[in-house]
This record gives sequence, C-alpha cells and structure tokens, in this order.
Amino acid sequence: DQQVKQNSPSLSVQEGRISILNCDYTNSMFDYFLWYKKYPAEGPTFLISISSIKDKNEDGRFTVFLNKSAKHLSLHIVPSQPGDSAVYFCAASVTGTASKLTFGTGTRLQVTL
Amino acid sequence: EPEVTQTPSHQVTQMGQEVILRCVPISNHLYFYWYRQILGQKVEFLVSFYNNEISEKSEIFDDQFSVERPDGSNFTLKIRSTKLEDSAMYFCASSPQIYNSPLHFGNGTRLTVT
Repeated sequence: DQQVKQNSPSLSVQEGRISILNCDYTNSMFDYFLWYKKYPAEGPTFLISISSIKDKNEDGRFTVFLNKSAKHLSLHIVPSQPGDSAVYFCAASVTGTASKLTFGTGTRLQVTL
Repeated sequence: EPEVTQTPSHQVTQMGQEVILRCVPISNHLYFYWYRQILGQKVEFLVSFYNNEISEKSEIFDDQFSVERPDGSNFTLKIRSTKLEDSAMYFCASSPQIYNSPLHFGNGTRLTVT
C-alpha cells in the first residue's frame, strides 16, 4: 500500500533557512491532507492541514502547498529552527471515511546550527 | 491544552495473552481511533469509533481485536490472544468532528510481545 509516499527519508537544513518536505499520493479520491510532526517517544502532533479546494494554507512559519494535478503536496518551514528537528509525516483522507488517515513513511528533518 | 492520554506507556506480554490498552480522549471529542506503528513502518489505521460503535476498521483489525468505551471517558483496545507480530506502538486519537478535522494523538503504548 503506497498511496502516500515521502521519498526523502531525511533532510538536513541550516537554522534560519527554508525546509521543504515533499509528499506524493496516488489516490485521486483523497481530498484532505495533513502534516504531523513526531518527536521520539511521543505521538504525532498536528501541524497544518489543507482541503483539496485550496492550493495553499499558511500558519505562521508553516505553509502547505497542494498541487492536485501532480498529486503532490509540500510543507515549507521558514525560518527553520533547531526545535523543528523531528520526523514529519504527511497524511491524507477521503471525506466520508470517518477521518481514516493514510500516512506516508515520514521524513526526518535535522535543523543544524 | 487538552490532550489524549494513554496508559501504560509500555506493556510487555507473552504470546497468547490478552492485553488491554487504555486511552482517555479529549473530553469534548466524539470520534475515537486506534492506529499502530510497527518499528520502521508507517503509522497504520486500525479502527474508528463513534456513538458506541465501530465506524470503520482496517483489514488488520480482525477478530482478535476489539474496542470499547466502557464509561464516559475511557476508550480501550483489547487484543485477545497476542501474536509476535502485534508488537508495535499503538496510538489512540480523537477528533471533535468526523470530516476534515485533524486527529489529536496520544503518546502511544509500546506493546512488546515475547
């Protein structure tokens, strides 16, 4: 089951620079997308979401972009901070499926000083 | 900020034993979920629960699994006869509404089946 894919297992970015995390999906029925952050020994923490009727959603340092034709979404973090170092998961769901989320495999972001 | 709490944080059990994982969802949330993550793999959906019944379940959620909301605050996942492959992190989540609403996750229970 590879409906949601994060092809980069890891990413290293300098503090203050932009972090761009990518996610691709194959199921065209997905219409709600989310990004979660996860620290070791903790559960996923919700960051930001986007509905398929939009192509961009912004919340502070976090912006999610959705390209439906390419079935691609990305998370931009700017400026990156050391506390952003974590594993980032994208997830997707189909409205009407009880908020069942399909997760990607995650990208480990390391923000260096 | 209200949070989802899960107990225990780590459970070790022998193969064939029953385990119950416990969760207290956020108090005004109506929808409850269990997910799991086997080491090195994706977070996977197990089951969703609303109004005292299962809304949806995955193929992983077979007859060995059951969920219950025994009172107004707890939400439990029972595995009747554990197998080695049930070893995983189990995450409980809740949400205030069913559509296009972020799930709020607990910190998980690490289940180790020996």
